[in-house]
Amino acid sequence: KAGVTQTPRYLIKTRGQQVTLSCSPISGHRSVSWYQQTPGQGLQFLFEYFSETQRNKGNFPGRFSGRQFSNSRSEMNVSTLELGDSALYLCASSLTPRGPETQYFGPGTRLLVL
Amino acid sequence: AQKVTQAQTEISVVEKEDVTLDCVYETRDTTYYLFWYKQPPSGELVFLIRRNSFDEQNEISGRYSWNFQKSTSSFNFTITASQVVDSAVYFCALGSNFGNEKLTFGTGTRLTIIP
Repeated sequence: KAGVTQTPRYLIKTRGQQVTLSCSPISGHRSVSWYQQTPGQGLQFLFEYFSETQRNKGNFPGRFSGRQFSNSRSEMNVSTLELGDSALYLCASSLTPRGPETQYFGPGTRLLVL
Repeated sequence: AQKVTQAQTEISVVEKEDVTLDCVYETRDTTYYLFWYKQPPSGELVFLIRRNSFDEQNEISGRYSWNFQKSTSSFNFTITASQVVDSAVYFCALGSNFGNEKLTFGTGTRLTIIP
């Protein structure tokens, strides 16, 4: 069974631009979560989607948004990029959004904002 | 609020030594879930184990073992006879059925195995 895939793997943008990252969950998994990883803040939860609906959202500004499609694939968008948005963005999928479900992570998209 | 503390920022041991990574958590939930993930240099978080709060049995998987103690809110991870391939950053994480955070991660412990 294929794991979580994320595209692109690497991205370079400039301040003020916007970016869209894509995540395909493990087949059969319907919950997708996004995390941001930076050296200073560590791993932080961005948001979670299930059945095309955002269920939970972390403490991030409105420039960070996402969506989920009917096939459970998810995209996240960051508008008006800032230097501090440079990070590894990790997507994780699980069967359902229930607490005990294990999340399986993709390889991440490494975003560099210049 | 939930919190996970991994006090050891970096650990280096010589190959074949045993090493224990510490994890202390805080939560007000009576039902919660603890996880360990491994992050090699490639960046992907690899799932190692999940433990439910109502199951305090320790677990062993090959060279890996986990010691869960609710009395001290700790979920420590021991690697026996370490190998160079064990070099990675290890994260402890806490999840629950409530709240907005899907998983709360610790800051990670960078483990280096010296050949």
